[in-house]
Amino acid sequence: DGGITQSPKYLFRKEGQNVTLSCEQNLNHDAMYWYRQDPGQGLRLIYYSQIVNDFQKGDIAEGYSVSREKKESFPLTVTSAQKNPTAFYLCASSAPGTGGIQPQHFGDGTRLSIL
Amino acid sequence: SQQGEEDPQALSIQEGENATMNCSYKTSINNLQWYRQNSGRGLVHLILIRSNEREKHSGRLRVTLDTSKKSSSLLITASRAADTASYFCALGSTLGRLYFGRGTQLTVWP
Repeated sequence: DGGITQSPKYLFRKEGQNVTLSCEQNLNHDAMYWYRQDPGQGLRLIYYSQIVNDFQKGDIAEGYSVSREKKESFPLTVTSAQKNPTAFYLCASSAPGTGGIQPQHFGDGTRLSIL
Repeated sequence: SQQGEEDPQALSIQEGENATMNCSYKTSINNLQWYRQNSGRGLVHLILIRSNEREKHSGRLRVTLDTSKKSSSLLITASRAADTASYFCALGSTLGRLYFGRGTQLTVWP
């Protein structure tokens, strides 16, 4: 079955530590996205990538970094510069298409907490 | 603001009733999409309506779009307890990204 896999499901970060969230897709989608969701809130875009070896900052990129070395993988690193990292992180992908942005397929998220 | 705003923030109904959620926005859009999120899970795409379309149906879902009023509505007919979830509208832009609203929390009581 095609889909998006995020790991781990739960992650704990110590003060001053960088942590990396994994996102892998086998849908052959060109575009991938990282969102942050806080309780009772909508999704805020952190970074997105429309093609391998290229990515753009979203609305809240400070304290985060990404890489896109392979089409199927888009890992997100939460750095120690991100002072309030506790949130639910969602990865998504979409296929290219005409008529604007296509539907996004989501993973089941990683819940990050501070120790 | 480029995100949509859903109304109401929360909706509680009995099984069998219809549920209507609204989304208003301020910018030009390419398309508008509705998503569903069960508690602790990722979002699932429900329906996409293009800016030149006025209404779309998918099973028990009906979506309307009024670009002159910059608003959309999602109607779920004959709701079931399994429809309990958060529902989000997302504005599709030509910049290759979506802008999500804060969502409507729907609770359907058996």
